[in-house]
Amino acid sequence: DSGVTQTPKHLITATGQRVTLRCSPRSGDLSVYWYQQSLDQGLQFLIQYYNGEERAKGNILERFSAQQFPDLHSELNLSSLELGDSALYFCASSVSGGTGGYNEQFFGPGTRLTVL
Amino acid sequence: AQKITQTQPGMFVQEKEAVTLDCTYDTSDPSYGLFWYKQPSSGEMIFLIYQGSYDQQNATEGRYSLNFQKARKSANLVISASQLGDSAMYFCAMREGGAGGFKTIFGAGTRLFVKA
Repeated sequence: DSGVTQTPKHLITATGQRVTLRCSPRSGDLSVYWYQQSLDQGLQFLIQYYNGEERAKGNILERFSAQQFPDLHSELNLSSLELGDSALYFCASSVSGGTGGYNEQFFGPGTRLTVL
Repeated sequence: AQKITQTQPGMFVQEKEAVTLDCTYDTSDPSYGLFWYKQPSSGEMIFLIYQGSYDQQNATEGRYSLNFQKARKSANLVISASQLGDSAMYFCAMREGGAGGFKTIFGAGTRLFVKA
């Protein structure tokens, strides 16, 4: 158990809908990262928050947004869902957010999103 | 541009033997970190080992060691005394960045099969 929790575990929805994925980082970790893992795109970095502020942006679509709350939990909002958004969405957390080894990222179990 | 390359989609190794999983990277940033993760069939991402760009010695963590060749921009993972439980997908990742934020990029992965 990495200490990172994600809810829900599974989510099935229809095209055009909107969903929210939730992540609670490990105790003491200030950075939260979101990743999308799909068969055709592999593991893609979406976005990072550090202590409530956006720190880095990756291949995140405009239909997707995220935020980190004062208690450091984070939510990833996916809207106008398309079939291609079906994927495993991981949240990870780390102490800080730089390149150092102490910033190893601990991953949550993931949320499997299926868009029908 | 492809920044992390794992050229071995799949590999087989006999139990108790050592195996090397290849990873090459591309960056112009002098400060970066290299990570290896394991993803078993259950789906979770497990951190294995870290190597910093300024580290003089190769990182080791138990049966895992990272063969870091900076001039060649390679960061190969060596697993000694393979066990059946090592059968999994292995991802090489790089974190780079600076004032604009730190991004983590993952390779496509190598699926390792350990034979009894």
